[in-house]
Amino acid sequence: DGGITQSPKYLFRKEGQNVTLSCEQNLNHDAMYWYRQDPGQGLRLIYYSQIVNDFQKGDIAEGYSVSREKKESFPLTVTSAQKNPTAFYLCASKLGGRLNTGELFFGEGSRLTVL
Amino acid sequence: AQTVTQSQPEMSVQEAETVTLSCTYDTSESNYYLFWYKQPPSRQMILVIRQEAYKQQNATENRFSVNFQKAAKSFSLKISDSQLGDTAMYFCAFMGPYGGSQGNLIFGKGTKLSVKP
Repeated sequence: DGGITQSPKYLFRKEGQNVTLSCEQNLNHDAMYWYRQDPGQGLRLIYYSQIVNDFQKGDIAEGYSVSREKKESFPLTVTSAQKNPTAFYLCASKLGGRLNTGELFFGEGSRLTVL
Repeated sequence: AQTVTQSQPEMSVQEAETVTLSCTYDTSESNYYLFWYKQPPSRQMILVIRQEAYKQQNATENRFSVNFQKAAKSFSLKISDSQLGDTAMYFCAFMGPYGGSQGNLIFGKGTKLSVKP
């Protein structure tokens, strides 16, 4: 089945540690996204990538980093510079270019807790 | 910059009844796309319904329909014959007409809907 796989589902981190959240898709989508979800805040865009080897900052990129070395993969690193990293993180993808209907396909999310 | 506002943080409805969730947005674009996404307690977001701004006809998907008022910049979601499985967070989202950053979706803060037996 085609879809988006995020791992791990739950992650605990000590302050000062970097952690990397994995996102893999087999939908052959060009664009991939990372969102952060906090209670009462909706979804806020961290980073996005519309093509391999290129990515752009979203609204809340500080303290995060990404890479897009393969079309299928878009890992997110939460660095120690992120002041309040405890949150639910969602990865999403969609078709790009003229086939872009706007529909985002989401993974099941990763819950990060900083101890 | 575009914004999306959902003014109802929480709502509840009795099973089999109808409920309407509100969404307003702000944009200077004439062509764009609007969406309603559902996030059940299992947490995976799924698309409920999509509307293209240049289409005057309101989108419908089974029990879900929208009331799209372009001049008022309003995009409400009506759920008919509510079912227990409709219990979820509902997010309204906006996407501009072009690629680049305008091809990104902007989400409202969500409405938590509870369907009661």
